[in-house]
Amino acid sequence: QVQLVQSGAEVKKPGASVKVSCKASGYIFTAYYMHWVRQAPGQGLEWMGWINPNSAVTKYAQKFQGRVTMTRDTSISTVYMELGGLRPDDTAVYFCARGPGGVFNIWGQGAMVTVSS
Amino acid sequence: IVLTQSPGTLALSPGERATLSCRASQSVSSSFLAWFQQKPGRAPRLLIYGASSRATGTPDRFSGSGSGTDFTLTINRLEPEDFAVYYCQEYGGSWTFGQGTKVEIK
Repeated sequence: QVQLVQSGAEVKKPGASVKVSCKASGYIFTAYYMHWVRQAPGQGLEWMGWINPNSAVTKYAQKFQGRVTMTRDTSISTVYMELGGLRPDDTAVYFCARGPGGVFNIWGQGAMVTVSS
Repeated sequence: IVLTQSPGTLALSPGERATLSCRASQSVSSSFLAWFQQKPGRAPRLLIYGASSRATGTPDRFSGSGSGTDFTLTINRLEPEDFAVYYCQEYGGSWTFGQGTKVEIK
């Protein structure tokens, strides 16, 4: 079945970087864009950007430009989201979501990132 | 595009109808509007896309309507498993989410 499996929880210090992975299975990896969305504790959903796994072209939300990098490894059907310059308000659950036609129909289970000194 | 959902919280009893609103700051092109359900500790689940098309597995008590700047999610005859937070999202280029409406048991 189609699924996205993300890496585990991370604890980072302010100023550090975190790299979250999202492994896809059950479909042709390069066929659909992958999006990243985050959710701070008790808050709503915030779109971060997308990557085209076929071409590696990316588009980032303006808020994260310069701090986020999305990459992919087609050999293992995995996309990555790296966020640098971490601050305590980056503490959130980070989700990947498959987006055919922009519709987020399959989500990963989420990866908790905690930023604390 | 900014999406504003109302009300923030809706307290209803099982069997009642829920009406959730999502208003966009500018017209949503081609009705690229989706609705998601999220339960605590879980990833969001797609319910509606294209403003009114039910996603695979979405029960028919869920219906979406609207166009332009005003959209509605209606849940007929609330079931116990429907109490959750609901988000609307524009996916025509900004992928913005609304702030959510919590449907809680009265």
